[in-house]
Amino acid sequence: QVQLQESGPGLVNPSETLSLTCAVSGYSISSGYYWGWIRQPPGKGLEWIGSIHHSGGTYYNPSLKSRVTISVDTSKNQFSLKLTSVTAADTAVYYCARQYASGMSGDYWGQGTLVTVSS
Amino acid sequence: SYEVTQPPSVSVSPGQTASITCSGEKLGDKYASWYQLKPGQSPVLVIYQDSKRPSGIPERFSGSNSGNTATLTISGTQAMDEADYYCQAWDSSTVVFGGGTKLTVL
Repeated sequence: QVQLQESGPGLVNPSETLSLTCAVSGYSISSGYYWGWIRQPPGKGLEWIGSIHHSGGTYYNPSLKSRVTISVDTSKNQFSLKLTSVTAADTAVYYCARQYASGMSGDYWGQGTLVTVSS
Repeated sequence: SYEVTQPPSVSVSPGQTASITCSGEKLGDKYASWYQLKPGQSPVLVIYQDSKRPSGIPERFSGSNSGNTATLTISGTQAMDEADYYCQAWDSSTVVFGGGTKLTVL
């Protein structure tokens, strides 16, 4: 059974960098698929942040591209998100997901982690 | 940038058929996916590649996509289907989500 688990600080200061990791079990990242980050601000809809292939190829949301870096560590079977210069608008539940290459639909999702940006 | 639009809310009586639409320019030329999201839970993929159901998703969930509109249909809607539903498309190397539709079963 494929499982994804997000981890990282639940509170980040404004202007600093948000860092999250998604640990994958039950499937080897090196075997394929894309691996993505999606968030949901309180009371709002889903927003795609970006996705990475096991080879390292990435796609980013154009509206966040200047602040986002997604990387993969196949030796640890995990991938990570870094979002710089955060503001209160970046407060959200952050999800990681496995995504099909065709259509980029996410078939397995982590439980989500709430990240609050506040001093 | 590409956008897809959903109605904010849809209501249906138990046992009836619910239809939720997702509109976007030439959406039928792209793959559409649908997710169910309940409070406090992670999104669940209910339809991918327009009309395919993942393992474990009930047969009452079906999807279609043609022209400018993708449609999620729930036949014989049950109380447990009350949730927010999001469509998602892939265009120009960008994942796009609709704004979500709140399905109320009453």
